[in-house]
Amino acid sequence: NAGVTQTPKFRVLKTGQSMTLLCAQDMNHEYMYWYRQDPGMGLRLIHYSVGEGTTAKGEVPDGYNVSRLKKQNFLLGLESAAPSQTSVYFCASSHRDKEYEQYFGPGTRLTVT
Amino acid sequence: RKEVEQDPGPFNVPEGATVAFNCTYSNSASQSFFWYRQDCRKEPKLLMSVYSSGNEDGRFTAQLNRASQYISLLIRDSKLSDSATYLCVVSLGTYKYIFGTGTRLKVLA
Repeated sequence: NAGVTQTPKFRVLKTGQSMTLLCAQDMNHEYMYWYRQDPGMGLRLIHYSVGEGTTAKGEVPDGYNVSRLKKQNFLLGLESAAPSQTSVYFCASSHRDKEYEQYFGPGTRLTVT
Repeated sequence: RKEVEQDPGPFNVPEGATVAFNCTYSNSASQSFFWYRQDCRKEPKLLMSVYSSGNEDGRFTAQLNRASQYISLLIRDSKLSDSATYLCVVSLGTYKYIFGTGTRLKVLA
């Protein structure tokens, strides 16, 4: 089992460029999440999904879009990157019966210049 | 006031020492509480849940004080491998998890 994987691990973007971060999990979890982690701040929820085809906004959704076309994948898109989106992005998943136990991916370090 | 507050540390302790961290939360409607561990430049991992009656897992003990709105984590007989950042997490309901900024622990040989 690979658990939760994220692609890419690192990326540098210029302001205004777009990109998609891919999260994949092989644990058959229903719930998936995207967080960002910034220095001096706790992880903050961007978007989440409770099942294939459904997504919802978290605490800091502005500037991001998501899609969950397949149960095992959760994509995070940045349409027009801004320096404020420089961060470490973590994807997580959890089982619906134990949704507090979130399994995190290794993270994507994104720098927007 | 932050919803979840932790002393950032670092707490530098010798091997074998006992160390304790506290975490305070501001929302009295908080429902569930957890400790996660995050190694440097790695992902967070669930360490343990925190119950009203307290719970113990080997060298780790977690306790909840609802009246004073804080949770604690006690680590006995510290090991070098315990060096990490410990994140306090408070749940306000389904999908609503508030992560603290973490307390950094360094166990010294």
